[in-house]
Amino acid sequence: QKEVEQNSGPLSVPEGAIASLNCTYSDRGSQSFFWYRQYSGKSPELIMFIYSNGDKEDGRFTAQLNKASQYVSLLIRDSQPSDSATYLCAVNKGTYKYIFGTGTRLKVLA
Amino acid sequence: KAGVTQTPRYLIKTRGQQVTLSCSPISGHRSVSWYQQTPGQGLQFLFEYFSETQRNKGNFPGRFSGRQFSNSRSEMNVSTLELGDSALYLCASSLTSSSQETQYFGPGTRLLVL
Repeated sequence: QKEVEQNSGPLSVPEGAIASLNCTYSDRGSQSFFWYRQYSGKSPELIMFIYSNGDKEDGRFTAQLNKASQYVSLLIRDSQPSDSATYLCAVNKGTYKYIFGTGTRLKVLA
Repeated sequence: KAGVTQTPRYLIKTRGQQVTLSCSPISGHRSVSWYQQTPGQGLQFLFEYFSETQRNKGNFPGRFSGRQFSNSRSEMNVSTLELGDSALYLCASSLTSSSQETQYFGPGTRLLVL
């Protein structure tokens, strides 16, 4: 079992819809959780981070964390074609090491 | 504030050669991590440095090594290159290395081994 798992996709959503990206992790000791967006040929850029159970909103993005279920998600409201990218979930276990999932490819259809 | 810089951006080497990649973190950032990204494996952690000390290492062979200088700049070295080392090598920096610290990535060095 991988430490951080994501569905590789592609996840296709129409423009204006909500895109829901999911990530599960195996280590209950994981302390913090990050979502990165990576466009093809570019390096990852941070979208959001979340440390506590519940929801955290930033503009069109909402991160949700459920430590009991070892699950973190990212919702993108009013999806735009420019949101088409690979979304990487990353987990920090407090050991100076971030573990990344393999990413979910999102396609927003105009 | 300037972002993370990596040099060179592109590199072509042949099997058996060695390569050194460089990373300059964001000014004031003291933690530098290195990752290898390939289509099949995704982003895999290589090692993390803080104040010139390696504090964690991923599951890579000893051919992969790194170091950090007193100005927080970091280098990674790959010796005896293999075809499978072809990848995008990413460096990320953060202010410290607490579990809640955000990492910022450089543009990467794309290495092709022939």
